[in-house]
This record gives sequence, C-alpha cells and structure tokens, in this order.
Amino acid sequence: AQKITQTQPGMFVQEKEAVTLDCTYDTSDPSYGLFWYKQPSSGEMIFLIYQGSYDQQNATEGRYSLNFQKARKSANLVISASQLGDSAMYFCAMRERNTDKLIFGTGTRLQVFP
Amino acid sequence: NAGVMQNPRHLVRRRGQEARLRCSPVKGHSHVYWYRQLPEEGLKFMVYLQKENIIDESGMPKERFSAEFPKEGPSILRIQQVVRGDSAAYFCASSPPSRQTQYFGPGTRLLVL
Repeated sequence: AQKITQTQPGMFVQEKEAVTLDCTYDTSDPSYGLFWYKQPSSGEMIFLIYQGSYDQQNATEGRYSLNFQKARKSANLVISASQLGDSAMYFCAMRERNTDKLIFGTGTRLQVFP
Repeated sequence: NAGVMQNPRHLVRRRGQEARLRCSPVKGHSHVYWYRQLPEEGLKFMVYLQKENIIDESGMPKERFSAEFPKEGPSILRIQQVVRGDSAAYFCASSPPSRQTQYFGPGTRLLVL
C-alpha cells in the first residue's frame, strides 16, 4: 500500500543555515510523483517542488531542492539559507500513476530562529 | 492570475445543520480535488471531480457527504447533519489538464458546535 513517512515531528534551524526535512515513501508503482507543500500558520497549502520518478536529476526551485534517492525510496527536502519566513509545517506527498489523489505524510514543523 | 478560491474561510454550524463549502478552481483548470485535514494531521483525500463527473470518491464518507462540480459555477462539498467529528479544515485543489501538480485553496475551517 502506498504510504508516506515523515519521521521528524519538529526541526529547528538557525537563520541562513541549510536544513533537510526527511521523507520516505512506499509504493509498488514504477511511475509516481513526489511533492512538497508548505503550510504556514495562516493555514494555506503552498506548492514548493515536484519530482517525477523517472526524472534523472534532482528537482530544484530557488532555495528548495529535493534529494531524490530512488533505491532508498526517499525524497528529502533541502532548504538552503533558511529565512524566518520558512517557519511552517512541511508536508511530503505522493501520487501514483493510476490515481490522481495525493497521499500526505504527517508533516514536519520547522522553526527558524535568528 | 487568481488562484483557487474557497469560501467561506470559516464556517460555524450546530450539530444537525448542513454545511456547504465552495471552491472555484484556477481559471482553465477542469480538475478539482477535496481534502480534509484534522488538527495536527496531514491532509486526507476525499474526492476528485471533473466538470459534471465524479472520478474518484474513494475517500468520501458513505453517508452525509456529497460533492459536485457543475458545468457552470464552483464545486460544492456538502455535509448534511453535521456532527462534532466533522470539525476540520477542508481544502480544495485544482490542476490543469496535465494533472501533474495540484494547487490548493486557502481552506475552509469548519467548526461544529
């Protein structure tokens, strides 16, 4: 069964430092997509980055990059040069080829301190 | 460019009342998804609709919940005879024809008293 696991309930990072948020997944489908979303305290869900299972290179979007290790079934989010505004909940999600629904992990709460 | 719009942002209902949640997708998006988020949890898929069709309702409770996406107008998630356990944030998302990425609205926070 498809599953997303985020083992870090909370993380702290100092401003300007890099931080890695962990995500592992389980699927038997060879074709799938992986997503990261940010949910600030205001509650909205903001799309950050996407990685397809057949993509040869790790996805990057500005300060966000996805460390995709297919054999280990991990899709960690790396945020470089953290900013105070990065403090939020971060959710990893997966979509398999034959379905359109996203399966979400339980999230990691990131706190950036000065 | 307007994103996904949801209204109301906050909704308070008493037990037994009906709740109607509205979602207007991004212009040009014909795929709409509804998710529910309980406090301190991730989002859980409820239903996927295209215009006038329900494609996947595997996450919808069997009773009291219904969804539609008419040819004209917003998508509606309807909860009849609400109970306290329905209190949650309900998110709508839409995607373009490629369906690669879902873009979420701000959510509707439903509180059942």
